[in-house]
Amino acid sequence: DAGVIQSPRHEVTEMGQEVTLRCKPISGHDYLFWYRQTMMRGLELLIYFNNNVPIDDSGMPEDRFSAKMPNASFSTLKIQPSEPRDSAVYFCASSLGFVNEQYFGPGTRLTVT
Amino acid sequence: GQQLNQSPQSMFIQEGEDVSMNCTSSSIFNTWLWYKQDPGEGPVLLIALYKAGELTSNGRLTAQFGITRKDSFLNISASIPSDVGIYFCAGRTQGGSEKLVFGKGTKLTVNP
Repeated sequence: DAGVIQSPRHEVTEMGQEVTLRCKPISGHDYLFWYRQTMMRGLELLIYFNNNVPIDDSGMPEDRFSAKMPNASFSTLKIQPSEPRDSAVYFCASSLGFVNEQYFGPGTRLTVT
Repeated sequence: GQQLNQSPQSMFIQEGEDVSMNCTSSSIFNTWLWYKQDPGEGPVLLIALYKAGELTSNGRLTAQFGITRKDSFLNISASIPSDVGIYFCAGRTQGGSEKLVFGKGTKLTVNP
């Protein structure tokens, strides 16, 4: 298996622009997680899905953030409008069952200028 | 919300030395996990602990789930240069909406 795939790997955008991050989980995994990593706050869980349904989005910082999972093999995290403080590395992870190992993607490094 | 205090924040050691890092919390967790993150990559699971008091090894790595369920440690024996990276602890909360909470990491540098 190719593992969790994220795109793009790097994104540089200007403040106010819409940003869409993409994730393809490992085939057969029923949980998908979106995390944000910064030096100040470490790794933070933003939202997670079970069988394509959002279960807990309490970590989503603001209404500017939204996430969707239209099918079992694809998820997006959208920021609109983006702000400089959104600059971070965003990770997608998937697992088979909630209590089992989460496999992380390589991350998307987002820079908002 | 729940917070994990991970220490030390960074360590600089010589190749061959043993390493110890730990995580503590004021909350009870029902699972402790230890991850390693290499530069430019996502975290990779090293060891998972599911029972209070559990001691688990993975090669040169040993981790323990504290009896109080509020702490865990990770030891690395006979460090080698490829041990360099950031090590994260993570705890899974019990009850209600389960979440995985991460510590802020221990950055390990190994001098050859």
